[in-house]
Amino acid sequence: IQMTQSPSSMSVSLGDTVTITCRASQDVGIYVNWFQQKPGKSPRRMIYRATNLADGVPSRFSGSGSGSDYSLTISSLESEDVADYHCLQYDEYPLTFGSGTKLEIK
Amino acid sequence: QVQLKESGPGLVQPSQTLSLTCTVSGFSLTSNSVHWVRQPPGKGLEWVGAIWSGGSTDYNSALKSRLSISRDTSKSQVFLKMNSLQTEDTAIYFCTRSGTEIVMDAWGQGASVTVSS
Repeated sequence: IQMTQSPSSMSVSLGDTVTITCRASQDVGIYVNWFQQKPGKSPRRMIYRATNLADGVPSRFSGSGSGSDYSLTISSLESEDVADYHCLQYDEYPLTFGSGTKLEIK
Repeated sequence: QVQLKESGPGLVQPSQTLSLTCTVSGFSLTSNSVHWVRQPPGKGLEWVGAIWSGGSTDYNSALKSRLSISRDTSKSQVFLKMNSLQTEDTAIYFCTRSGTEIVMDAWGQGASVTVSS
């Protein structure tokens, strides 16, 4: 299953609402996670099963989607949210990640 | 708490074998699976393979012929071995935990592997 993630990079301002999308090449049945990765760090799970907030994740993060289309939204972007974001489908093996989205400050 | 830590050589010569160890704590390998994920410099994440709670394994088909994942439950360790290494295998290698209804909720800090002569 291919996960097409867009955009690959995004120039944002603090306080913006940001949406990142992943489109799967087939229905992945809400089995999608979103990860945040800061430079030099390991990924952190933010959203699981498409819409569920992982422990300790601020409520400004949300996930939506079904079938083959999924999105991660960050409301009122804060400086600590500037990072790379990756989607993952785990409906079928091999597991596949999107190509990543890099958020940068304008 | 749940912890994973990768260890292994930072430098491997081309055509040689990579051996990495993931040492876990705070959970049981007989109740959880451990996946390996790698990230080449400046690139995205790639699933490498997994060992399940029962001991069976799944591998990325692109790497399957060169890859072996095993474990020692008594030492809470998972091992990755990959042979015939090439420069394209240069990456940070992460181990990450999954369980029933849980996928990749905890990650190690990563082991940097450079393939170079």
